[in-house]
This record gives sequence, C-alpha cells and structure tokens, in this order.
Amino acid sequence: NAGVTQTPKFRVLKTGQSMTLLCAQDMNHEYMYWYRQDPGMGLRLIHYSVGEGTTAKGEVPDGYNVSRLKKQNFLLGLESAAPSQTSVYFCASSQGDASDLMFFGEGSRLTVL
Amino acid sequence: GQNIDQPTEMTATEGAIVQINCTYQTSGFNGLFWYQQHAGEAPTFLSYNVLDGLEEKGRFSSFLSRSKGYSYLLLKELQMKDSASYLCAVKDSNYQLIWGAGTKLIIKP
Repeated sequence: NAGVTQTPKFRVLKTGQSMTLLCAQDMNHEYMYWYRQDPGMGLRLIHYSVGEGTTAKGEVPDGYNVSRLKKQNFLLGLESAAPSQTSVYFCASSQGDASDLMFFGEGSRLTVL
Repeated sequence: GQNIDQPTEMTATEGAIVQINCTYQTSGFNGLFWYQQHAGEAPTFLSYNVLDGLEEKGRFSSFLSRSKGYSYLLLKELQMKDSASYLCAVKDSNYQLIWGAGTKLIIKP
C-alpha cells in the first residue's frame, strides 16, 4: 500500500526559481494538507483542501500556491523561492476533517540557496 | 494565542518507563493526538484522546485532563526503536490541528 507519496524527496533551488511538489494519495481521502516542519517548531499548515477543486489557506500560506484538480493529487507550488522557504515539507491526508487521524507522506527536503 | 508546550528532549534507559508531558492553550478543544516521528521519516499516529482519562494501547498509554489543559504519553518497557520525536497536537474549535514542536526521546542501553 503506497498511502501518501511525495515527489521529489530532495531539491535544491536558487533564490527566485520556481518548483512544484506533488502529493498523491491512494486512500480516497477527501482532505489533504501541506505542512512545513522547521527545527524547534511544530508542524505549520500551509494550505489544505477539503475536496477536489477546493483549497484554503492555513497558518503560513504566503509564497505558496496549491491546486487540487484531482481528488488523489495535491500540488504545492513555489513561484519565486526564498531562503526562508528552506524546510521539510510534509503532505498529509485524512478521510474527514481534522478529527480523523492523518496519514503523512515521507517528506520533501527543500533547500533554497 | 494558541500554544502547545512539550519538553524539547528527554533521555531514558532501555527497559524503563518514560512520561512525556504536553500542556496546551487553544481556542476550543476537540481532541488531542500523539504522533511518533523517527528522524527523517513521516509522523505516524499513536493515540487520540477526546475525553478525560487514560487510553492504553500496548506499551503506550495516553492521558488527558481537559480542565488542566494537560496530556501525557507514557511509554513502558522502552526499546531502542522508541528513540524518536513525539508530537502532541490539539484540534481547536475550528477543527484545525495545532502542533507542538515535539519531544526528542533518546533511549540509552
């Protein structure tokens, strides 16, 4: 069972470059989330989606965009990367709202030089 | 503001018992989660408490006191594989998860 899959696992960008992180889940979950995890801080929600075609801002949405064109996929885009976006990014999915347990992808480590 | 506090790091001995505390101040409460995260890996679900009291699941137990804004995770018969970070997360009134920074648990032989 694949569960939640993120690509790429690692990426190095130069300031100003753009990139897209792809998250795919095979559990038919309605809810999908993008978090970033930084040392000494809790997971912070960037954007989330409550169903195909919907997206909403989380706690730290600035500098990121997302799309959920298909139920199983949730894309996170950085239009113009900044060093402050150096982080580990986790995608997660759940069946219902946040009351249901989340399943996480393995993470994508992004470095912006 | 919303806040979740956990100790940054704890050390324990293989075979022993350790208790990891979590205190929270959130706008509303709709449940508390504990997740385990090994270094370089994804968080994985351990437990969920929404009512006061103790939930036991094998070697792991989780306790909740809503009136005190307090929870703990109890790990018994510690094994080397329990070396990981333990994340406490609270679901607020909007059903959004607020995450603590995590407690890094180091197990020594």
